[in-house]
Amino acid sequence: GNSVTQMEGPVTLSEEAFLTINCTYTATGYPSLFWYVQYPGEGLQLLLKATKADDKGSNKGFEATYRKETTSFHLEKGSVQVSDSAVYFCASQGYKLSFGAGTTVTVRA
Amino acid sequence: DTAVSQTPKYLVTQMGNDKSIKCEQNLGHDTMYWYKQDSKKFLKIMFSYNNKELIINETVPNRFSPKSPDKAHLNLHINSLELGDSAVYFCASSQVKGQYGYTFGSGTRLTVV
Repeated sequence: GNSVTQMEGPVTLSEEAFLTINCTYTATGYPSLFWYVQYPGEGLQLLLKATKADDKGSNKGFEATYRKETTSFHLEKGSVQVSDSAVYFCASQGYKLSFGAGTTVTVRA
Repeated sequence: DTAVSQTPKYLVTQMGNDKSIKCEQNLGHDTMYWYKQDSKKFLKIMFSYNNKELIINETVPNRFSPKSPDKAHLNLHINSLELGDSAVYFCASSQVKGQYGYTFGSGTRLTVV
């Protein structure tokens, strides 16, 4: 079945710093890949997605590119804000949506 | 106009009690899910229903029983609650195979004392 491994946190950054969260997947075939974000006390929100190799998902300044050759879907943002503080989950869609362990990101002013 | 709504938001109960969590979606999706998030934020799927039919039933104790009266509703009933059931439970919905993503509810924080 599908599985996802993502960078462990927590990650603490200063405002305007560059953020990267690594994510790799194992799957049969080519699953759809997602990043979800969970703000404190809230549910999960879909941040971005990519459904096939070389697709780039983007939203709110975040980007991730579906890399078939490295089975990766790393999340990046060039300049983070305090409001980006949250838990970020990488996920792979097989017969079910499988999540990575989550990475807690804290951005300090 | 909430897309996936679940009630209650918080639930505190004693060991041995029976409780239910309700979920409703107004997105017209035909597949609904229950996920459990533990204290370390790890998410694990419990059940999935497609048009009222159970399609995913992960290794979950028999004390947990999902019920889907129609494709817009998926409830979760838990019998004989145990301390280890304390977690946040999320309902979600998607179109068919979910390749475009799931929409999640805001969660129900269950605390068993």
